[in-house]
Amino acid sequence: AQSVAQPEDQVNVAEGNPLTVKCTYSVSGNPYLFWYVQYPNRGLQFLLKYITGDNLVKGSYGFEAEFNKSQTSFHLKKPSALVSDSALYFCAVRDGNGGFKTIFGAGTRLFVKA
Amino acid sequence: DAMVIQNPRYQVTQFGKPVTLSCSQTLNHNVMYWYQQKSSQAPKLLFHYYDKDFNNEADTPDNFQSRRPNTSFCFLDIRSPGLGDTAMYLCATSKRLAGSTDTQYFGPGTRLTVL
Repeated sequence: AQSVAQPEDQVNVAEGNPLTVKCTYSVSGNPYLFWYVQYPNRGLQFLLKYITGDNLVKGSYGFEAEFNKSQTSFHLKKPSALVSDSALYFCAVRDGNGGFKTIFGAGTRLFVKA
Repeated sequence: DAMVIQNPRYQVTQFGKPVTLSCSQTLNHNVMYWYQQKSSQAPKLLFHYYDKDFNNEADTPDNFQSRRPNTSFCFLDIRSPGLGDTAMYLCATSKRLAGSTDTQYFGPGTRLTVL
C-alpha cells in the first residue's frame, strides 16, 4: 500500500534562510511524487512533481525538491525563505505502476519569521 | 483565469439538512475528484468520476453522494449532514487516471459548517 510521511508538524525558519520540508514515501511500484501548498481557506496549489529523470526537480516560487530513491525521500527545499512562504505544505505520492489514487501526507506547517 | 471553480466558498447548514456543493471546470478534464479535508489534516478522497463512471472509496459514508451531469460540472450531495461532516471540501480534476503522471488541479474549496 502507498503511504507518505511528513515527520514534522511544523517547520520554523527565519526569512532569508534556507528551508527544508521533509517527506518520505512508500509505494510498490515507481513513485510519482508531488508537492502542494495550501494557504488559509484555499485549495491546494501545485508546486512541483517528480516522474522520472533528473533527481532535482524545480518548481514554482523558487521551490525545488530532490528525489532520493535509496532513502525513499522527496524533500522540499528553497534557498532563501520568504515570509509569504508561510503555509501548509503537502507531499503526495501515486503508484506509477497502474495506481490512480494520490495519497497525501498529513502536511507540514511552514512558518517563516521576518 | 479560474480553472476549477467551487460554489459556494462558505456554507453553513443545520444538522440533518441536505446540502449540495458545486464544482465546475474549464479544463475539459476527464476526471473529477471530491476530497474531504478536516482541520489541518490531509485531504481524504471521497470519490471520483472518470467521465461518467463513478467510483466510490470503500470508506466513504453512504450519506455522501455525487452527480456529474456533464464534463464540466460535478456536485457533492450530503443527504443528512452530521456535526462530524464539518470540513473543507475540495474538488480536483485531472486529464487522465490510472498510472497517470498528470497533475491534479484543485478548486479553492468549500468550507462547510454543520451546526
